[in-house]
Amino acid sequence: DQQVKQNSPSLSVQEGRISILNCDYTNSMFDYFLWYKKYPAEGPTFLISISSIKDKNEDGRFTVFLNKSAKHLSLHIVPSQPGDSAVYFCAASGGDTGTASKLTFGTGTRLQVTL
Amino acid sequence: EAQVTQNPRYLITVTGKKLTVTCSQNMNHEYMSWYRQDPGLGLRQIYYSMNVEVTDKGDVPEGYKVSRKEKRNFPLILESPSPNQTSLYFCASTPQGAYEQYFGPGTRLTVT
Repeated sequence: DQQVKQNSPSLSVQEGRISILNCDYTNSMFDYFLWYKKYPAEGPTFLISISSIKDKNEDGRFTVFLNKSAKHLSLHIVPSQPGDSAVYFCAASGGDTGTASKLTFGTGTRLQVTL
Repeated sequence: EAQVTQNPRYLITVTGKKLTVTCSQNMNHEYMSWYRQDPGLGLRQIYYSMNVEVTDKGDVPEGYKVSRKEKRNFPLILESPSPNQTSLYFCASTPQGAYEQYFGPGTRLTVT
């Protein structure tokens, strides 16, 4: 039972364009969402997060949008740079997971930014 | 430097031979977790700990044990490894009250 889904395994975007990575969730009790970036041979690193009381959070080139009614969040990267090429995971917390120490991750989307 | 360290980074072993993967963090975080990453399945939580001597099962705890005797260390123990435990393992820590988890570099385990 995949409670957090990233339906696009991969995405290719030209440098300078917008990258949009999508994530859907099924557990309506999730109340905090995070995006992580992962390079090969490294652990995931935290990128940006959003609480369910907000619908948008911005940090530099990265913006996360949350649509609670659709149980959908997206990560926008503008402009995309070659260094953004990585695997991106969305993660959610709350509900019956019960504690901030437990995150439920999606399966990841591999972003490739081409020159 | 604030970090989460894991050892070993790579391990090849045989079925049934007990092994321990160590995890240590120097950030004085209360929460620590273990995850495994498998193709098409993302990261799945194995066990987590909210503080010393407090541990609980995650989504895929079967075949694993953990202990938290000191705040900084959270070893993952495979008493009798099997080939289906071949995976990439990550340890993570989180300060109390936060959601962001800080991950170690990963341990790639192969069980033959």
